[in-house]
Amino acid sequence: EAGVAQSPRYKIIEKRQSVAFWCNPISGHATLYWYQQILGQGPKLLIQFQNNGVVDDSQLPKDRFSAERLKGVDSTLKIQPAKLEDSAVYLCASSRGDQETQYFGPGTRLLVL
Amino acid sequence: DQQVKQNSPSLSVQEGRISILNCDYTNSMFDYFLWYKKYPAEGPTFLISISSIKDKNEDGRFTVFLNKSAKHLSLHIVPSQPGDSAVYFCAAANTGFQKLVFGTGTRLLVSP
Repeated sequence: EAGVAQSPRYKIIEKRQSVAFWCNPISGHATLYWYQQILGQGPKLLIQFQNNGVVDDSQLPKDRFSAERLKGVDSTLKIQPAKLEDSAVYLCASSRGDQETQYFGPGTRLLVL
Repeated sequence: DQQVKQNSPSLSVQEGRISILNCDYTNSMFDYFLWYKKYPAEGPTFLISISSIKDKNEDGRFTVFLNKSAKHLSLHIVPSQPGDSAVYFCAAANTGFQKLVFGTGTRLLVSP
């Protein structure tokens, strides 16, 4: 069974630029999560989707971050404009349902200069 | 507000000995706890979990203990192997929401 796929693996941008990350969850997993992991901290949930609907986006900085999950499969997370403090690893995870074990992708490491 | 705390940033253990990783939480609504292991350049991998109705759960070399009155859980690895060297994250959730709250991680180094 293929795992959670993410791209790109690394991205370097300058502040005020925009960036987008892509996630393809495990086939059949209805729930998809985006986490932000800042160096030295644990992952922090940004947004949770159930199929293509948003379940929780309470910690998503909506003035600059947006996410969508069209057709209930792939998802993209966008930052526009980026700030220095957005430098982090962005992890995508998926699970069969919203109370099931979450499986993580390898993450996208973002550096904002 | 750090609801899940791992106060030891690192731990070094010799191969064959026991590794004990600790985690404390403050939110009494948490009733489901998990440990994830993370290798460099990879995403966290689920290791073991425990529900608040239990105080112990075992899976091979890995055992998680939960002390609800102390709001404390620990992960025991016996015997430790060099391949166990990784960062271990404790996570907690209220099963009503299933929103995982992670600790800051403990880096385990198992030396031959």
